[in-house]
Amino acid sequence: DAGVTQSPTHLIKTRGQQVTLRCSPKSGHDTVSWYQQALGQGPQFIFQYYEEEERQRGNFPDRFSGHQFPNYSSELNVNALLLGDSALYLCASSLLRGSSYEQYFGPGTRLTVT
Amino acid sequence: KNQVEQSPQSLIILEGKNCTLQCNYTVSPFSNLRWYKQDTGRGPVSLTIMTFSENTKSNGRYTATLDADTKQSSLHITASQLSDSASYICVVSDITGGGNKLTFGTGTQLKVEL
Repeated sequence: DAGVTQSPTHLIKTRGQQVTLRCSPKSGHDTVSWYQQALGQGPQFIFQYYEEEERQRGNFPDRFSGHQFPNYSSELNVNALLLGDSALYLCASSLLRGSSYEQYFGPGTRLTVT
Repeated sequence: KNQVEQSPQSLIILEGKNCTLQCNYTVSPFSNLRWYKQDTGRGPVSLTIMTFSENTKSNGRYTATLDADTKQSSLHITASQLSDSASYICVVSDITGGGNKLTFGTGTQLKVEL
C-alpha cells in the first residue's frame, strides 16, 4: 500500500518563475492538504482539496493555487516566485469523513528560490 | 486566533534517559490533538492522536497526555535512543472541516547523544 508520494524531491527556481509540485495521496484517501514549512518552523496550512474543489484556505496570497484531479492526486502551483517562498512543501492526505482524523504526510518537496 | 505553543524549543539528553515535551494550545472548538515526529527534511510521522475524551495514549516508548480543561498536552519519551533525535510537533485540530483543519506548533528539537 503506497503512502503519500510527492514529486519532485528537490527543486531550484529563480525569482519570478512559476513552479508546480505534485502529490499522490495514500490509497483510499480523498482529501489533500498542502503545507509550507520554512526552516525551523512548523508547517503552515496553505489549502485543502476535496472532490476537486478547494475547501479551506490558509493565509496565503493568490500566487498559490492548486488543483485536484479525479484520481484524488493534487498539484500546487506557485506563480511569481519570491525568495521567501523557499521552503519544504508538504502534502498530507486524509479521508474527509473518516473517524480516525489521521493525516498522512508525504516526504515533501524542498523548493529553493534564488 | 488558534495557537499552539511548545516548550522547550530544543533539548539535548543522553541516550537511555527520559524526557517530557510540553504543548499548550488555544484552538477552539477543539477536535483532537496529535504529536508528530519529523526527521530533518522529511515529512512528519504521526505518533499519537487524542480526542477530547482521552487523557493518555501510548505508542511504544512514547506516551502522550491531554488535559482538555487546561488545554495542555505532554509527550513523554522513555529510554531514549539515538534515533529519537528529531523535531516533535504538537498539532491541534479544530472541529471545522471534519477535524481536518490543523494548527501546528513550531516543534521541540530533540537531540539524543551518547
